[in-house]
Amino acid sequence: DAGITQSPRHKVTETGTPVTLRCHQTENHRYMYWYRQDPGHGLRLIHYSYGVKDTDKGEVSDGYSVSRSKTEDFLLTLESATSSQTSVYFCAISRDTPYEQYFGPGTRLTVT
Amino acid sequence: QKEVEQDPGPLSVPEGAIVSLNCTYSNSAFQYFMWYRQYSRKGPELLMYTYSSGNKEDGRFTAQVDKSSKYISLFIRDSQPSDSATYLCAMGVGDYKLSFGAGTTVTVRA
Repeated sequence: DAGITQSPRHKVTETGTPVTLRCHQTENHRYMYWYRQDPGHGLRLIHYSYGVKDTDKGEVSDGYSVSRSKTEDFLLTLESATSSQTSVYFCAISRDTPYEQYFGPGTRLTVT
Repeated sequence: QKEVEQDPGPLSVPEGAIVSLNCTYSNSAFQYFMWYRQYSRKGPELLMYTYSSGNKEDGRFTAQVDKSSKYISLFIRDSQPSDSATYLCAMGVGDYKLSFGAGTTVTVRA
């Protein structure tokens, strides 16, 4: 158990509405990540954070923003949800080394 | 072309068989190689990692890396029904950003 929780776990929303997903960690790790997982694509990095208020884009960042005002919380916002953002979203943290990433349980988001 | 290509599967094997999973990659800068296991509707969990060519064993699992051929494999010996899951390969260059394969779903039949 990597001490990562995600909320909500499931969400259905309508096209055009804003959505915020929350990732919370209990172990005070510096690096946090947001991924999306879609059939045939595996996991793709959306954004990551290397400290409070320090974030950077991943390979599929268009349409997403993030914020990290506290070490333990990393928020992912869809400003105006689209059907193409229907996916399973995973938060992850790195422990001592960059390749040891540990994942949360995921949020299943459906945009209708 | 994707940076990381993974055999799509699915694979179905009888209990006790050896499972062989493979990934190829195009970025010669990759230094770290990982395998994750993901049960249905769960988050991926780190199984093994290595940063050198050759084999690494952990119980029934063996990870193999061939940097000259840009090819990695995961072998599961004496497979059990509890090994039924999706297996994801992942690779990185050391800057905290990983590239994942699409995953191979394995079913071990009792």
